Amino acid sequence: QKEVEQNSGPLSVPEGAIASLNCTYSDRGSQSFFWYRQYSGKSPELIMSIYSNGDKEDGRFTAQLNKASQYVSLLIRDSQPSDSATYLCAVNEGNNDMRFGAGTRLTVKP
Amino acid sequence: DTAVSQTPKYLVTQMGNDKSIKCEQNLGHDTMYWYKQDSKKFLKIMFSYNNKELIINETVPNRFSPKSPDKAHLNLHINSLELGDSAVYFCASSPRGAGAPWETQYFGPGTRLLVL
Repeated sequence: QKEVEQNSGPLSVPEGAIASLNCTYSDRGSQSFFWYRQYSGKSPELIMSIYSNGDKEDGRFTAQLNKASQYVSLLIRDSQPSDSATYLCAVNEGNNDMRFGAGTRLTVKP
Repeated sequence: DTAVSQTPKYLVTQMGNDKSIKCEQNLGHDTMYWYKQDSKKFLKIMFSYNNKELIINETVPNRFSPKSPDKAHLNLHINSLELGDSAVYFCASSPRGAGAPWETQYFGPGTRLLVL
């Protein structure tokens, strides 16, 4: 069974700190990687996508991918209370097959 | 101008009943999906349709039957509902889907199903 694993948390950080969310995946053939944010009672919304090794930055968010280690992470700088949500790591293994991790619940305390 | 819409938003029903959930996307996307999110927030793909053709059919009970009358619609019919079917069901779509693993999937608002 192909797996996407995340630390379920909860992860608690103070406002203004850096939140670091981690994800590992088992299928070496995975081609693309996504981070979704899901507020309680809402649907997942895309924050970042990354396809190549290295870092990708978008505003306060940075996604990092290391295919050799089968590891993808999301850093949130200057964390805000509005960032409090569950963050879902998703891995596309090709042919429409998107696998999600169980999510990490992040709480940013004012 | 909702991109991916689902009806109903909430569904409460008795065990053994048959129910349907409808999904529509107005994005012109070719591929649509059904996901199930259980109480532990684990989001798992159930089905994927590309231009009305079934692409992915994960191991789900055959009580679940998807139907795609056209590429903008993907409905989910569930027969003989069981307690374990209680979950949030999300519909999603992506522009091409097949052969385009870099694409984002856009999710509908979800249907909260509670089986009593």
